[in-house]
Amino acid sequence: KAGVTQTPRYLIKTRGQQVTLSCSPISGHRSVSWYQQTPGQGLQFLFEYFSETQRNKGNFPGRFSGRQFSNSRSEMNVSTLELGDSALYLCATTTGLAGETQYFGPGTRLLVL
Amino acid sequence: DAKTTQPPSMDCAEGRAANLPCNHSTISGNEYVYWYRQIHSQGPQYIIHGLKNNETNEMASLIITEDRKSSTLILPHATLRDTAVYYCIVSPQTGANNLFFGTGTRLTVIP
Repeated sequence: KAGVTQTPRYLIKTRGQQVTLSCSPISGHRSVSWYQQTPGQGLQFLFEYFSETQRNKGNFPGRFSGRQFSNSRSEMNVSTLELGDSALYLCATTTGLAGETQYFGPGTRLLVL
Repeated sequence: DAKTTQPPSMDCAEGRAANLPCNHSTISGNEYVYWYRQIHSQGPQYIIHGLKNNETNEMASLIITEDRKSSTLILPHATLRDTAVYYCIVSPQTGANNLFFGTGTRLTVIP
């Protein structure tokens, strides 16, 4: 089975711009969770999508949003980028059933200038 | 949300067993103990998880105390490629996938 894929792997944006990141889950996985990792705050949960619905949400401002498509692929969007949004953005997928382990993608490294 | 406590760093000689401790004194009855590791700037890699009993797989062993308030991840023969940050996480298996990652333990395997 192919693993979790994330695109793009690297991205440079400037303040005020918006960005869209993509995550393709392992075949058969319907749950996609997004995390932000920064040196100061560590790995923090953003939100989870299951069957095209947001099922769980972390403590991030509304500038961070996401969606999931019928094929379970997910995108997250950050609008009005700030310097502090520079981070490694990771997605993790599972089947969505109780007891299933999350498998992470390689991440997208975003640099905001 | 600091549910686990881990030492910030540890060293281990190559070929020796690495024993990584984790305290989770407030763990609930329905919460599992998960271990992930993250090699520099890559996505976290699942290692092992358990509820009450000790668990072993091809990567590691997990020893959970009888009162479930602490656990130890054991890498039986550490190699240089095991150098990583190891995260101990407690989470209920309810299907909600919002793992809380603490600061982890930075394990350095020394030649």
